[in-house]
Amino acid sequence: AQSVTQLDSQVPVFEEAPVELRCNYSSSVSVYLFWYVQYPNQGLQLLLKYLSGSTLVKGINGFEAEFNKSQTSFHLRKPSVHISDTAEYFCAVIYTGGGNKLTFGTGTQLKVEL
Amino acid sequence: GAVVSQHPSRVICKSGTSVKIECRSLDFQATTMFWYRQFPKQSLMLMATSNEGSKATYEQGVEKDKFLINHASLTLSTLTVTSAHPEDSSFYICSASRGGGPKDTQYFGPGTRLTVL
Repeated sequence: AQSVTQLDSQVPVFEEAPVELRCNYSSSVSVYLFWYVQYPNQGLQLLLKYLSGSTLVKGINGFEAEFNKSQTSFHLRKPSVHISDTAEYFCAVIYTGGGNKLTFGTGTQLKVEL
Repeated sequence: GAVVSQHPSRVICKSGTSVKIECRSLDFQATTMFWYRQFPKQSLMLMATSNEGSKATYEQGVEKDKFLINHASLTLSTLTVTSAHPEDSSFYICSASRGGGPKDTQYFGPGTRLTVL
């Protein structure tokens, strides 16, 4: 079965430090890749997505992610985090040929500290 | 734009009763709506996909008679948990998509916390 792995359940980081949240998916077939953020008591919000083209994708709030097909990864990065970035981050994949089903990872809780 | 609401945000019910959860796209028309379930510390699991005016497509292992989905209009889908039991307690999240294709963004609601006593 197709799966998405977010190895880090929690990532603590100090404000203004860089951060990388890791995401790996299980298959080398063609995929669409997404990162969502969930703030407390809110719905998931799309940060960025990769459909095709440039492997470096820039999203909202200064986040970016890089698609690496050989490593089946789509890690999320931000060069300098803010307290307001504290949230749950979900990586998700659509395996083309599998309809429009989003397969989610288990999420990474980013906690930004002063 | 692209706001999705859910009602109620929290519901507590007795075992054996039925509970209806509404999902609305407030400022766009949603051809396709999706229903997910999220257990604590776990990822969102797709339960079913519904297209306006059509029967929902359920994922493997999801009981269609227990989780009734209706997508009667382009802005409203409902999930009814029938004869709820404590094991149905969970966080239910809907999403809505204008086109429903794999490249169309899914916009998520804030979720509904169901507790069955």
